[in-house]
Amino acid sequence: GQNIDQPTEMTATEGAIVQINCTYQTSGFNGLFWYQQHAGEAPTFLSYNVLDGLEEKGRFSSFLSRSKGYSYLLLKELQMKDSASYLCSMDSNYQLIWGAGTKLIIKP
Amino acid sequence: NAGVTQTPKFRILKIGQSMTLQCAQDMNHNYMYWYRQDPGMGLKLIYYSVGAGITDKGEVPNGYNVSRSTTEDFPLRLELAAPSQTSVYFCASSYGTGEDTIYFGEGSWLTVV
Repeated sequence: GQNIDQPTEMTATEGAIVQINCTYQTSGFNGLFWYQQHAGEAPTFLSYNVLDGLEEKGRFSSFLSRSKGYSYLLLKELQMKDSASYLCSMDSNYQLIWGAGTKLIIKP
Repeated sequence: NAGVTQTPKFRILKIGQSMTLQCAQDMNHNYMYWYRQDPGMGLKLIYYSVGAGITDKGEVPNGYNVSRSTTEDFPLRLELAAPSQTSVYFCASSYGTGEDTIYFGEGSWLTVV
């Protein structure tokens, strides 16, 4: 079957680094997206990984291991504005299956 | 360039009423989607369309209908509203699938009482 899982909530300190994990199971994996969603707003695109490895975009990096069914989003130099939910979504047979999202709380 | 525009932003419906959520995109995207997002849950696909005149059911289509008469518009119809349809609804679009980014509208908060 298809399954995607990520932690419900995480807390981190301003200026620190946080890693948000996502695990998935599917038979028709094409790639994995990360989206950011601030409370009361629409999700916005962060990254897309199709090959194994780390992709870096400024303070945000995303990693994928296809063999392990595992991805993570790494946020560096955390800022208060990074307080949001982070949604992991797998492209499975060209349909997106969404995780429930990880609510990231940033403390001063 | 407005992106994806959906209306209304907020609506309260009585049980049994019907309504249409409007969605329009000006990016000439082929694919359009309707999702619902319940508190603490992931996005659930209601219906999607791969082009004008073509629509398909997603994970949770019951109680909803869609049409895609033009590339730009993809309205979602709720017939006989039920409390279980209380949710936030997002319309989205993309040029294609795979690595093509999905762009979301701002969301419509619907309460059925």
